[in-house]
Amino acid sequence: AQKVTQAQTEISVVEKEDVTLDCVYETRDTTYYLFWYKQPPSGELVFLIRRNSFDEQNEISGRYSWNFQKSTSSFNFTITASQVVDSAVYFCALSEAKIKAAGNKLTFGGGTRVLVKP
Amino acid sequence: DTGVSQDPRHKITKRGQNVTFRCDPISEHNRLYWYRQTLGQGPEFLTYFQNEAQLEKSRLLSDRFSAERPKGSFSTLEIQRTEQGDSAMYLCASSLGGGPNSPLHFGNGTRLTVT
Repeated sequence: AQKVTQAQTEISVVEKEDVTLDCVYETRDTTYYLFWYKQPPSGELVFLIRRNSFDEQNEISGRYSWNFQKSTSSFNFTITASQVVDSAVYFCALSEAKIKAAGNKLTFGGGTRVLVKP
Repeated sequence: DTGVSQDPRHKITKRGQNVTFRCDPISEHNRLYWYRQTLGQGPEFLTYFQNEAQLEKSRLLSDRFSAERPKGSFSTLEIQRTEQGDSAMYLCASSLGGGPNSPLHFGNGTRLTVT
């Protein structure tokens, strides 16, 4: 069975500080996909980034970057130079690719609430 | 792209009543998903449609829950004989094919409170 764990329940930072969110996952599959979603107070989950299990190259996209390490089953996410608008709950999620036509059935972690103070 | 639309945004009902929620996905998205999110938790998968066919249902979806997508466009989720444990945010999402690597586009959700 799949499992996603986000050990940090809440992080509070001052604007312009960097924030790193931890995510650890469990899966028996060799092919899988990892996602980060943001849920602002409005409630709508917003897709941020995606990674497949074959690509461990870490990247930067604007103020977002991620560190995928298969050896430790971790997929950490960093917001650089945080802003007040980054305040939200962030979810890490996992989907398996056993059956390509199976759709994207995501297993979510419990979320980390990020509060960015001005 | 008008986004995924859900109606109503909030629903308060008494235990034992039936409720129905509606989801309008992004037009031309052939896949539609329902998730449930309780307070302080991540969303949990309930069910999934490809066009009008319901392809998978979670064990979380008891006999009191039924979902339909009659013409492969909008979807409804009905809960019969509601219980207090049904209180949660019900999220709808859609995607344009692509399988397990396709990002889901979520609506704002319907918050259900059962009193």
